Order: sequence, then C-alpha cells, then structure tokens
Amino acid sequence: AQSVTQLDSQVPVFEEAPVELRCNYSSSVSVYLFWYVQYPNQGLQLLLKYLSGSTLVKGINGFEAEFNKSQTSFHLRKPSVHISDTAEYFCAVTDNYGQNFVFGPGTRLSVLP
Amino acid sequence: NAGVTQTPKFQVLKTGQSMTLQCAQDMNHEYMSWYRQDPGMGLRLIHYSVGAGITDQGEVPNGYNVSRSTTEDFPLRLLSAAPSQTSVYFCASSYSLDSPLHFGNGTRLTVT
Repeated sequence: AQSVTQLDSQVPVFEEAPVELRCNYSSSVSVYLFWYVQYPNQGLQLLLKYLSGSTLVKGINGFEAEFNKSQTSFHLRKPSVHISDTAEYFCAVTDNYGQNFVFGPGTRLSVLP
Repeated sequence: NAGVTQTPKFQVLKTGQSMTLQCAQDMNHEYMSWYRQDPGMGLRLIHYSVGAGITDQGEVPNGYNVSRSTTEDFPLRLLSAAPSQTSVYFCASSYSLDSPLHFGNGTRLTVT
C-alpha cells in the first residue's frame, strides 16, 4: 500500500523568502506524484505533477518540485513567496496499476508580511 | 466550462437521517471519486468509479453508498448519518490513471 508523509503541518515564512515543503512517499511500484493547493473554502487545484522524465518539475505560480527516487521524496520549492501563496498544500501519489490517489495530511503555508 | 459541480455546498443533518450528495462533471472523465477531508488527516478516499456501472471501495467506505449510472454523475449516499461523518466532502474526476484530479468545491456536512 502507498502512503504519503508531510512532516511539516505548518510552515510560517516571511514574504519574499524561499520555502520548501517536504513530501516523502512509500510505494513498492512506480509512482506518479502530484502537488495540489487548496485556498480557503475551495477545492484542490493542481500545482504540478511528475509522471516520468526530468526529475525537476515546474508548475504554476513559480513552484517547482524535484523527484528523488532514492530518497522517495518529492519536495516542493519556491524561491520567493508572496502573501497570496498562503494556503494548504497537499502531496499525493498514485501508481500505474490502480486508480487510487493517496494524499498526505497537508502542510499549511502562512506567508507573513 | 463547469468542470466538477457539487451540491449542496452546506448541509446539516440529524443523527439517523439520510441524504445524497450530488456530483456531476462535464469533461467526459471516466474516473470519479469521493473524498472526505478532516483536519490533520488530508483527504481520504471513500469510493471511486472507473466508468459507468463500475464502483469500488476506497479507504473509508463504511456508512456510504455510491452508484454510477452515467458517465457524468456520481452521487454519494449517506444511509444513516452519524456525527463521525461530519466532514468536508470532495468529489473529483480525471481522464485517465496518470491524469490529475479535478475537484469540486466541496460540501460541508455537519451531523448533530
């Protein structure tokens, strides 16, 4: 069975500072990895995805993530955050055998002025 | 484009009542699913469907029923509501296994 760990439940950071949100997964098969963002009172929106190919993936709003197979990680980064990036971020994994996405518990990013 | 539409947005039920959460998508997606979101637990899969007439259980299926008579619709039924089912429910759909999920805006359910 797959699982996703997001070690940081809350990450406060000042505006224009860099940020890294950590995601680790466990799976015995090849995986597809995703980061989603949820703004208050809204559904989840896709930030970026890794299916295959280059391990560095660029997404919307200046975010990027790097797939590291040996460390089973898919950390999300942004070099300079804005107030508008305040939201909850979810890492998710699915495999190419089933249809079930497994989500991590989420990391609440708070960008402070 | 409407995308994934969920109704209602809010609902309050008394213990033992039944209700149906509606979900419809207009993207011709084969895969549809229901999640519940609880604080500190992320999203947990309740039921999913890989096409009309096909449904299967996810991680937390107890107390919920689903059916998929058309590609567009995937309703979630609570047969006898319990306070433990107080949560925010999200419906999602995707085109294929390696496609991202498209989410509705959620239904906030409170069971008293």
